[in-house]
Amino acid sequence: QITLKESGPTLVKPTQTLTLTCTFSGFSLSTSGVAVGWIRQPPGKALEWIALIYWNDNKHYSPSLNSRLTITKDTSKNQVVLTMTNMDPVDTATYYCVLRRDDRFFVNWGQGTLVIVSS
Amino acid sequence: EIVLTQSPATLSLSPGERATLSCRASQSVSSYLAWYQQKPGQAPRLLISDTSNRATGIPARFSGSGSGTDFTLTISSLEPEDFAIYFCQQRKNWPLTFGQGTKVEIK
Repeated sequence: QITLKESGPTLVKPTQTLTLTCTFSGFSLSTSGVAVGWIRQPPGKALEWIALIYWNDNKHYSPSLNSRLTITKDTSKNQVVLTMTNMDPVDTATYYCVLRRDDRFFVNWGQGTLVIVSS
Repeated sequence: EIVLTQSPATLSLSPGERATLSCRASQSVSSYLAWYQQKPGQAPRLLISDTSNRATGIPARFSGSGSGTDFTLTISSLEPEDFAIYFCQQRKNWPLTFGQGTKVEIK
């Protein structure tokens, strides 16, 4: 059974750095074709893909957020970590961790974690 | 960046009726388009991949069609549990992009 679970702070102040961790089970991020990433959704709004990291450490970032993002993996811990710098209230959203296999669509999602950016 | 435009924004229908949702891409995505369903407080669920392939466990009343820039999700006969928001997504090019969603609400 595949599971993904997001963890991190619920409240972040403007200008601070957000660190989110995705802890997963049921698959390995060292398997060819596997990628784990992040998608966010502001309250009542659309989904926005943020970043993906592949089994071979290849990384892709949203161009609009690229300068603020870093995604890393710890294969031994089954974790992926996303850092986003210089947080702003517009970054308030539910952040989902997702699994991608063989460059296909997102079948497996975490439950999401709400991050509020406010002073 | 490929922009996906969904229409209508809201679809008001009754159970048993047919729902037709549209997703238009700003450039061709070939057949690399998916549809997701999202209910309040839940993560999205993949319904259809690569235009017309139903994901595991998705009922046959959901079907997808189209190619290039114009795609359609059809729900043949709405069940009470189908009232939700539907998003399309493309995987043809980076960055991966989603449409803004269509809400299917009870009339």
